[in-house]
Formats: sequence, C-alpha cells, structure tokens
Amino acid sequence: DAGVIQSPRHEVTEMGQEVTLRCKPISGHDYLFWYRQTMMRGLELLIYFNNNVPIDDSGMPEDRFSAKMPNASFSTLKIQPSEPRDSAVYFCASSLQGWYGYTFGSGTRLTVV
Amino acid sequence: TQLLEQSPQFLSIQEGENLTVYCNSSSVFSSLQWYRQEPGEGPVLLVTVVTGGEVKKLKRLTFQFGDARKDSSLHITAAQPGDTGLYLCAGARGNEKLTFGTGTRLTIIP
Repeated sequence: DAGVIQSPRHEVTEMGQEVTLRCKPISGHDYLFWYRQTMMRGLELLIYFNNNVPIDDSGMPEDRFSAKMPNASFSTLKIQPSEPRDSAVYFCASSLQGWYGYTFGSGTRLTVV
Repeated sequence: TQLLEQSPQFLSIQEGENLTVYCNSSSVFSSLQWYRQEPGEGPVLLVTVVTGGEVKKLKRLTFQFGDARKDSSLHITAAQPGDTGLYLCAGARGNEKLTFGTGTRLTIIP
C-alpha cells in the first residue's frame, strides 16, 4: 500500500493567489481528515469527511478555505485568496473507522509570500 | 483552547538516559493515542490506549493511560538518537475525530 499521498510537497505562492492541495487516501478508508500544523497552534483539524460527505468543517478558518471530496480516492483543499498567515504544513490523514487507525500523508508545506 | 497540554514542550537529554513526557487534560477521553513525527513527515502512530489505568509497552517505550482517562504518560528507557522527534498525544471523545496535544520536541544527544 502506498499510504496517503499528498501533492505538492512544497508550494510557494504570492498573496492573493489561489492554492489547491491534493490528497489521495488509502484505498478502503472511509474517513479523510485535513489538518494544519504550525509552531504556534500545533496540529489543528480543519475538516473531515465520512464516505465522501463533509461531517465537520468547524475548524475551517474562514470562507477563503474550501474542501471537496468528489470520490473515495481524491480530496482537495483550496485557499482563495491566499494570505501570508496561511503559511503552514497541511496534512491529510485517512482512517478505517473514525479515530481508529489514522494514517497521515507526508504533508504539503505552503509558503505564502 | 487547547484541550491536551503536553509537558515538557522541549526536552534534550544524553543518550542512555531515561525520560517521561506527559499529556494532560481536564476532559475525559474515550481513547488516547501517541504519535511520533520526524522532520518533513507526517505523524506516525505508536500506540492506542483505551482503558483507564492501561499500560502498554513498545520495546523501550512505556505508555500509561490515567485511571480517570484524562491524562497519559510516555516513558522512554535508555534513550537513543533514533528516538529524536516530536511526540504528540491525541485524544478521542467521540468515535470519529482526534484532538492533538501541543507536542513535546525530544532531542537525544549522542
């Protein structure tokens, strides 16, 4: 199994530009989670899906952030427009059953200048 | 509000020494997990504890879940440079999402 695959690994963009982060979960995992990690705030849950349906998006910081899961093998996190304070490492994780068996991807390091 | 506080935040010790890191909360968790994260990678699950008072051992690592299921500890015996990393605890209060702790950044000096 290739694990959770995220792309790109690094993204540098200018303030105001649209950024799209991608995630391919482990096949058969019903849950997909998007987290953001910063030194100041640690690892924060942004949104999660169960069977492709968004269940809890209360962690999404504001309307500039949106996430979709059009099918069981693909999810995107979009930031439009991006701001310097969005700079962080964004992780995708998938699991078989809720909190049980989390597997994280390697993350996308986003820098907004 | 951070539900899970870890201490210490940073710890640097010599190879061969023992250490304990703590994960504390005022909330009760149905289960608690420990992860280790290395630079440039995502966190990797080490252990899950679900019963109050439960103790689990993974080679030189010993994990304990508090009796009241509000706290946990990780003890490492004879630390090695390969133990270096960010240690994160994570608690579940329902059956779906995890809340992560503030993290302990551990450095083992050869």
